[in-house]
Amino acid sequence: DARVTQTPRDKVTEMGQEVTMRCQPILGHNTVFWYRQTMMQGLELLAYFRNRAPLDDSGMPKDRFSAEMPDATLATLKIQPSEPRDSAVYFCASGLGWGSTEAFFGQGTRLTVV
Amino acid sequence: AQSVTQLDSQVPVFEEAPVELRCNYSSSVSVYLFWYVQYPNQGLQLLLKYLSGSTLVKGINGFEAEFNKSQTSFHLRKPSVHISDTAEYFCAVPNAGNNRKLIWGLGTSLAVNP
Repeated sequence: DARVTQTPRDKVTEMGQEVTMRCQPILGHNTVFWYRQTMMQGLELLAYFRNRAPLDDSGMPKDRFSAEMPDATLATLKIQPSEPRDSAVYFCASGLGWGSTEAFFGQGTRLTVV
Repeated sequence: AQSVTQLDSQVPVFEEAPVELRCNYSSSVSVYLFWYVQYPNQGLQLLLKYLSGSTLVKGINGFEAEFNKSQTSFHLRKPSVHISDTAEYFCAVPNAGNNRKLIWGLGTSLAVNP
C-alpha cells in the first residue's frame, strides 16, 4: 500500500529552535508539495518540487524556511529559527505532476512552537 | 487568476439526510476541478475530480458532484450521509499558467449527527 510518510507526526519545540520535518514521497512520484494548514489561513502551498528541482517556493518565508530534496526518496522542510506563529500542521504530498493529476497526502506533522 | 469559494464553512446534518456542499470557482481557461476530504487527524484524500466529459462525476464513499459551467459551480452531494462522513471537505482548481498549482477553498466542515 503506497503512501506518503511524514515524520515526526507531532513536534513541540521552543521558540528559536530549529525544526526539521521529513517526507518520503510515494516511490516513482516526481512532484512533491509542502503545504501548511492553519485554522486562520486554511491550506497554503509553501513549495513544490518536480524531479527534485524546486519550481516554486514563493509561499515560503525565505528568511527562516528552507525546503530541499536531497534525493528522490526524501524531502525536507526546515524552519530556523522557529516562532510561535509557525505552529500549524505541515503536509507533504506527492504526485505524478499537477493540473489534472491527483496529489497523495501524508498524515502531516503537527508543529507547536511555544 | 483562478479562485475557489466554498460558500459554507460548516454544515451540520443528521445521519441519513442528504447533503450538498457548495463550491464556486472563477476561471478564464479550461477547468479541472477537485474535491478532497480530510478526516480528523489525517491528510487530504481525493474524493473525486472533473477533467472533461460527463458533468456528473461520481467519487468514493457515495459522493458525487456536478460541474455547471454556466454557474461556475462544482457542488458536492450525497443522498444519505453516515456518521463516518464527518470530515473537512476541500474544493480545488489548478491555477492557470505554467505552474498549475492547486488553488484551494477554505474548506467546509461537515458534521453528521446521530
